[in-house]
Amino acid sequence: EVQLVESGGGLVQPGGSLRLSCAVSGFNFNDHWMSWVRQAPGKGLDWVANIRADGSEAIYAGSVKGRFTISRDNAKNSLFLQMNNLRAEDTAVFYCVTDSPGLGMRYWGQGTLVTVSS
Amino acid sequence: QSVLTQPPSVSAATGQKVTISCFGGDSNIGTKYVSWYQHLPGTAPKLLIYDNNKRPSGIPDRFSGSKSGTSATLAIAGLQPGDEADYYCGTWDMSLSTGVFGGGTKLTVL
Repeated sequence: EVQLVESGGGLVQPGGSLRLSCAVSGFNFNDHWMSWVRQAPGKGLDWVANIRADGSEAIYAGSVKGRFTISRDNAKNSLFLQMNNLRAEDTAVFYCVTDSPGLGMRYWGQGTLVTVSS
Repeated sequence: QSVLTQPPSVSAATGQKVTISCFGGDSNIGTKYVSWYQHLPGTAPKLLIYDNNKRPSGIPDRFSGSKSGTSATLAIAGLQPGDEADYYCGTWDMSLSTGVFGGGTKLTVL
């Protein structure tokens, strides 16, 4: 059974940092590009970043570039999102999802809530 | 303001067919494959259509996708109450070099 389980969300003050994790099982993690997608309260889906299967390249949305870093550990079947200098507008549920070319965003986690507030 | 434009809401009666449009441009839908996602509140989004018109295993053929030029369409036939959800189109934008989604369409089954 395919499982993606996010963790690391919580309440953080503006300017603070959080590191999200996504533990993957049930498929060959090493073969898949991965993305983070978020949904702010009452808003739509918002693409955040993705990373190649081998971790050699990462791309970011303009709104998070320079503040967020996506990474992966293929030996531990894990995806990460380091979020620094958080802003109120980063408040959202963050989902990890497979995002390999030609396959669509196929497997999604249940999401982890990040709240940025003082 | 989303790069891809969807109607905020659509509605149709149980058993009927509904279509949801997604309008983009040359740098996204015009040159890249489109995917469609179903999202019920509190759950993980679900992939319905990828590569414009392909269905993952387990997705019924009531769901179909098409693309023409810089627009894409999701069609849902034989509407069921369980189809009430938010629907999103998504693709890659070559100019932005980022993934992009439509703003989402809320489907109401009457």
